Amino acid sequence: GQQVMQIPQYQHVQEGEDFTTYCNSSTTLSNIQWYKQRPGGHPVFLIQLVKSGEVKKQKRLTFQFGEAKKNSSLHITATQTTDVGTYFCAGAETSGSRLTFGEGTQLTVNP
Amino acid sequence: NAGVTQTPKFQVLKTGQSMTLQCAQDMNHEYMSWYRQDPGMGLRLIHYSVGAGITDQGEVPNGYNVSRSTTEDFPLRLLSAAPSQTSVYFCASSYSADYGYTFGSGTRLTVV
Repeated sequence: GQQVMQIPQYQHVQEGEDFTTYCNSSTTLSNIQWYKQRPGGHPVFLIQLVKSGEVKKQKRLTFQFGEAKKNSSLHITATQTTDVGTYFCAGAETSGSRLTFGEGTQLTVNP
Repeated sequence: NAGVTQTPKFQVLKTGQSMTLQCAQDMNHEYMSWYRQDPGMGLRLIHYSVGAGITDQGEVPNGYNVSRSTTEDFPLRLLSAAPSQTSVYFCASSYSADYGYTFGSGTRLTVV
């Protein structure tokens, strides 16, 4: 079945440093979604990417969808302590099919 | 709007007991799903529903039942609790499988 893998599993950065997490799928995806989960909280939807090579930005966050639609990345510029949490990618093989979540990247930011 | 409401927030069960985790949404979402979250394993899909009266299994359905009699409610039943079902359970809803999901705040379940 479909597998979605994320690296790294953990990332520790100093406040102000950049951060990137990568998501790789074993199959071509119809779309990919990104979520953020704060410690002790629930996942919160950030964004969805649909088109090959798509790039979207939300303030300091940049999301990319690979040309082959099998990988994606989330880049945070100049991290802040409010960025702490676990970032999950989730992919769907076909439109309307269920999402498969990656294992997440846990980000800690030292002030 | 309350969004997605899950009850209870915490529960301790003895092995063999049964219980129902409640999930309700007030956004008129057709798509609802249940996930369990275990350390280092991300979110794994238990069951999902694409509309009232329609349910299907996810990747880890054993030991759980669901029903969807209304658009708003999607309860998850544990038939005979086992320690392996100790986990955090999240309910999520969406307009469809292609839209971002809204998650509930979760139920932390411990089976002893």
